[in-house]
Amino acid sequence: DVKVTQSSRYLVKRTGEKVFLECVQDMDHENMFWYRQDPGLGLRLIYFSYDVKMKEKGDIPEGYSVSREKKERFSLILESASTNQTSMYLCASSPHSSPFREQFFGPGTRLTVL
Amino acid sequence: KNEVEQSPQNLTAQEGEFITINCSYSVGISALHWLQQHPGGGIVSLFMLSSGKKKHGRLIATINIQEKHSSLHITASHPRDSAVYICAVNQGTYKYIFGTGTRLKVLA
Repeated sequence: DVKVTQSSRYLVKRTGEKVFLECVQDMDHENMFWYRQDPGLGLRLIYFSYDVKMKEKGDIPEGYSVSREKKERFSLILESASTNQTSMYLCASSPHSSPFREQFFGPGTRLTVL
Repeated sequence: KNEVEQSPQNLTAQEGEFITINCSYSVGISALHWLQQHPGGGIVSLFMLSSGKKKHGRLIATINIQEKHSSLHITASHPRDSAVYICAVNQGTYKYIFGTGTRLKVLA
């Protein structure tokens, strides 16, 4: 079974802190994604990576950066956390080869910024 | 108007009822996905559809490409089916468009 893990289930940070969210997948998937999920808005793509050191901005990249130094790990960085970044963050991965591009999701990190 | 619309937003059913959740989309797609999200957050994929109908246990998913519409049916619903069901479409690239979800509660 594909397993996608995220470093924390719950996280509380203060405004202005630098925050790292880590995601690791164990199935050698090329594609990895970071989404945020807010009530009434559905999942929105923050960043996407299709290979090591490669990244593309999603729909809402402002205030975020990412790092992919190894194929299995994709990190989301909040450079200076703000209260409007309080949200559920979900990581996902998928293989290049899948024609319908099924995604496999991690358990999510619920981040609260005070 | 969202490109992927789900209805209803919330649904409460009695155990054993037949449940239908609808998804309409306004863009061209290569596949449509139905996802399930339990309290606590993790999302699992239930179905991927590009045409026709798929069945897995008590779950049935259908898609009508011409009408740009899909339905997820749950037969003989059970309290453990309580979750948020999310419709997502893929346009043949890495990009997915997600509906806002249908929150289902099944009462014993």
